[in-house]
Amino acid sequence: DIQMTQSPSSLSASVEDRVTITCRASQSISSYLHWYQQKPGEAPNLLIYTASRLQSGVPSRFSGSGSGTDFTLTISSLQPEDFATYYCQQTYSTPYTFGQGTKLEI
Amino acid sequence: EVQLVQSGAEVKKPGESLKISCKGSGYRFTSHWIGWVRQMPGKGLEWMGIIYPGDSDTRYSPSFQGQVTMSADKSINTAFLQWGSLRASDTAMYYCARGFDGPGYFDLWGRGTLVTVSS
Repeated sequence: DIQMTQSPSSLSASVEDRVTITCRASQSISSYLHWYQQKPGEAPNLLIYTASRLQSGVPSRFSGSGSGTDFTLTISSLQPEDFATYYCQQTYSTPYTFGQGTKLEI
Repeated sequence: EVQLVQSGAEVKKPGESLKISCKGSGYRFTSHWIGWVRQMPGKGLEWMGIIYPGDSDTRYSPSFQGQVTMSADKSINTAFLQWGSLRASDTAMYYCARGFDGPGYFDLWGRGTLVTVSS
């Protein structure tokens, strides 16, 4: 299985901060990397697919980059509704593993 | 409206069987993979496997192979996840989600089915 490691596991930030979350794969996954946001009590929501493509309806303050083994999710200016847990997922090979999550807190 | 509607919460005893469902609407159900994701209390997301309702092609995570069975009934646009004998460790929220661009990332999620297994 491909292991996905996110860092940090938790992060404290303030409104309007710029935040970066990193996801590292245990082997090259090309650009088959996707990011989800999950708020408490809700299902996950797709933010970014294939490393850098913004899902329809997702604010442009979210962006993704990377390829191979190292990827980042950046939120350019945190808004109150962005405080949530973020997960990366690889779909290069099954099982399509998730990272352990990064909890973004105030 | 494009959506996945999951069946309601379940409370079961260890050893009991269970089948939960995920009904798709508003899109061509047979043209998209349906995946299942487990989230244990306070924990992260775990990819369990995916099924293609068009032909029931199924791929399991090794961690869940033999522990659960995925199926689909395309006549009613519904996918299923079932257990033959539940354990307390199966207590979790189970999400179904639609695969986009093949058995890839999930662009549409159900609200989840909470399964509680307790004696």
